[in-house]
Amino acid sequence: EVQLLESGGGLVQPGGSLRLSCAASGFTFSSYAMSWVRQAPGKGLEWVSAISGSGGSTYYADSVKGRFTISRDNSKNTLYLQMNSLRAEDTAVYYCAKGYYYGSGTCYYMDVWGKGTTVTVSS
Amino acid sequence: QSALTQPASVSGSPGQSITISCTGTSSDVGGYNYVSWYQQHPGKAPKLMIYEVSNRPSGVSNRFSGSKSGNTASLTISGLQAEDEADYYCSSYTSSSTLLFGGGTKLTVL
Repeated sequence: EVQLLESGGGLVQPGGSLRLSCAASGFTFSSYAMSWVRQAPGKGLEWVSAISGSGGSTYYADSVKGRFTISRDNSKNTLYLQMNSLRAEDTAVYYCAKGYYYGSGTCYYMDVWGKGTTVTVSS
Repeated sequence: QSALTQPASVSGSPGQSITISCTGTSSDVGGYNYVSWYQQHPGKAPKLMIYEVSNRPSGVSNRFSGSKSGNTASLTISGLQAEDEADYYCSSYTSSSTLLFGGGTKLTVL
């Protein structure tokens, strides 16, 4: 069974840092692009970042560019999101999601999603 | 980039059909066929319902269909059922190599 399991969320002060992890299983992790998508409380979905299967190409939303870094360790089947200079508006549930197409360099659609991990930025 | 434009809410009775629109620009919806739709029930993760404008992933009911004309994509749900009540989001690839979601539409089955 294809599964994604996020971890690393929590409460952090404004200006602080947090690293999210997403453990993947049930598919050839290195063959698929991956994304992070977030959802603020009571709000809609917002795409955050994507990374190619090899990790050589990365993409970011303007709202997080320069503050967040996406990476992956294909030997550990794990996706990461390093979040620095956190702001109150980064408070959200963060979902890890698998790209639909085998071998694609980015995520055009996401067909498998984790349950999410909650990040709260507050003093 | 601003979110794609969706109606905040739509409603329909069981058995009826509804359509949700998703309007973007030539830099996203109008420029690519990488348009998708997601269903999200309260407290749950999103589920891919339509990809590449009109394709259904395996396991998704054929009551769900998608289309696109110019800068506007549409999701149609026919034969409405109670379990279709959820939030629906469109998404499009953009000329900036990013993904853009719509603001979401709450579907109420009366």
